[in-house]
Amino acid sequence: EAGVAQSPRYKIIEKRQSVAFWCNPISGHATLYWYQQILGQGPKLLIQFQNNGVVDDSQLPKDRFSAERLKGVDSTLKIQPAKLEDSAVYLCASSQDVVTDTQYFGPGTRLTVL
Amino acid sequence: QKEVEQNSGPLSVPEGAIASLNCTYSDRVSQSFFWYRQYSGKSPELIMSIYSNGDKEDGRFTAQLNKASQYVSLLIRDSQPSDSATYLCAVEGDDKIIFGKGTRLHILP
Repeated sequence: EAGVAQSPRYKIIEKRQSVAFWCNPISGHATLYWYQQILGQGPKLLIQFQNNGVVDDSQLPKDRFSAERLKGVDSTLKIQPAKLEDSAVYLCASSQDVVTDTQYFGPGTRLTVL
Repeated sequence: QKEVEQNSGPLSVPEGAIASLNCTYSDRVSQSFFWYRQYSGKSPELIMSIYSNGDKEDGRFTAQLNKASQYVSLLIRDSQPSDSATYLCAVEGDDKIIFGKGTRLHILP
């Protein structure tokens, strides 16, 4: 079974530029999560999708971050414009159905904002 | 603000000894608890989940839950150098999962 795919793996941009990340969850997984993990901290949930609907986006900085999951499969996370404090690893995870199911994480995208 | 607290470490344990990792949480209605292991530069992977008070054993790992004290722990028996990693405690409440900052564990050969 293929795991969660993410791209790109690394991205370096200057502040005020925009960037987009892509995630393809495990086939058949209804729930998709985007996390931000700053060095030395645990993952922080940015947004949670159930199929193509948003379940929780309470910690998503909506003035600069946006995410979508069209057709309930893959998802994109965008930052526009980026700030220095956005430097982090962005992790995508998926689970079969509800939040108590095992979450499987992708390899992450390491973003550096200069 | 719901919180999950862990000692950041590093926790150094001799090879073959028992490593004990602790986690406290603030949300009394939390029902599901998870331990993830994260190697440096890698993504988290689930190693244990626990839902009811008491102990749950899986190989060398034992998760312990005390909902009255809002405390969950992970014991690793016969620690191996390959157990050196950051261990993340995650707590589910109100259909949301909150991760702690993690405890860095270092197994001394």
